Amino acid sequence: SAVISQKPSRDICQRGTSLTIQCQVDSQVTMMFWYRQQPGQSLTLIATANQGSEATYESGFVIDKFPISRPNLTFSTLTVSNMSPEDSSIYLCSVERLRDRGYYEQYFGPGTRLTVT
Amino acid sequence: LAKTTQPISMDSYEGQEVNITCSHNNIATNDYITWYQQFPSQGPRFIIQGYKTKVTNEVASLFIPADRKSSTLSLPRVSLSDTAVYYCLVGDPASGTYKYIFGTGTRLKVLA
Repeated sequence: SAVISQKPSRDICQRGTSLTIQCQVDSQVTMMFWYRQQPGQSLTLIATANQGSEATYESGFVIDKFPISRPNLTFSTLTVSNMSPEDSSIYLCSVERLRDRGYYEQYFGPGTRLTVT
Repeated sequence: LAKTTQPISMDSYEGQEVNITCSHNNIATNDYITWYQQFPSQGPRFIIQGYKTKVTNEVASLFIPADRKSSTLSLPRVSLSDTAVYYCLVGDPASGTYKYIFGTGTRLKVLA
């Protein structure tokens, strides 16, 4: 399994500012994932982050808006830049593990609830 | 990329079996189907994963027909604590591309 923590758990920010969200895993992982979950909606993958290389962004998400760092195998950050109210969402990080029974399981952090005013 | 569709909500009573369907008409050959459960203010939690036919674990069963264009999560004898949102996820975890698409989610409410 994997235990994931995120900081901050929630924040209220003013438009035009930036917020960096931290994700810490209790064990080393190759790939980390960042998702956005807008109020009452499903999860949308923002990007995947591999240690030592540039993050891979999904359609609709760009590095200038959501820069990601992955300095080591247990930590990653996601920055939400130049925020607008439309960025108000829950941001979640996750990791994936291949379990003994042969299936792949994602473990999610508790999420960071961001409100932009 | 396979898009998934689920019923928006379902109600059930304690002790009943609940079946939640997910439609994924464009599923790729190597895609697996995974279901997650999410409670308010928490990240999703893995329930079950399958590729074809039937998979069963301690908490649920997953039924996948031969054409794999849909799947059904079956929760036996639900309790009030099973009230949550259930997501169907389609993707190929072994590919290294990590093109995961979460379904729209089904909000299950279990009534006493």
